[in-house]
Amino acid sequence: DAGVTQSPTHLIKTRGQQVTLRCSPISGHKSVSWYQQVLGQGPQFIFQYYEKEERGRGNFPDRFSARQFPNYSSELNVNALLLGDSALYLCASSAGQLNEKLFFGSGTQLSVL
Amino acid sequence: GQNIDQPTEMTATEGAIVQINCTYQTSGFNGLFWYQQHAGEAPTFLSYNVLDGLEEKGRFSSFLSRSKGYSYLLLKELQMKDSASYLCAAFTNAGKSTFGDGTTLTVKP
Repeated sequence: DAGVTQSPTHLIKTRGQQVTLRCSPISGHKSVSWYQQVLGQGPQFIFQYYEKEERGRGNFPDRFSARQFPNYSSELNVNALLLGDSALYLCASSAGQLNEKLFFGSGTQLSVL
Repeated sequence: GQNIDQPTEMTATEGAIVQINCTYQTSGFNGLFWYQQHAGEAPTFLSYNVLDGLEEKGRFSSFLSRSKGYSYLLLKELQMKDSASYLCAAFTNAGKSTFGDGTTLTVKP
């Protein structure tokens, strides 16, 4: 079985642009969570989606949005990119909504110039 | 609020035992996870504690005290491949998670 897959692997954008990151969970997993990880720090929670509904939101501005599709895949959108948005964006899937072991994808490395 | 504290760096010798501590202050706390992250790779699951006590999994064990807001990860018989960042993460009953900044463990021969 395939693990969590994310695309693209790397992305370079300029300030003010918009970006969409994609994630496919492990087959059978209904929960997808998004994290931002800056070098030298732990992952920061952005969103959790379960059964296509937002179940949790971290302390990120409204420029960050996400959605989950009927096949449980997910997209993370970031508008009006800032230099500080440069980071590794990790997607994690789990079988259930709460206290489930997270399986992480390899991430999308976003560079904002 | 949510707060996780763990040491920034630790060094240990191959074959030894090392304990990585984590303290947390989390509203609606529901469980504590430990993940391993090698440089340039995604985090991978190591262990999970919901109730107080010790969970053992081969060379890795994790302990939780809910009343003290404290956990530790114990690594035995250290191997060179154990050199990595170890992330402590607290999960809440609202579906939110807070990760610490990780403890970079260096295993020396």
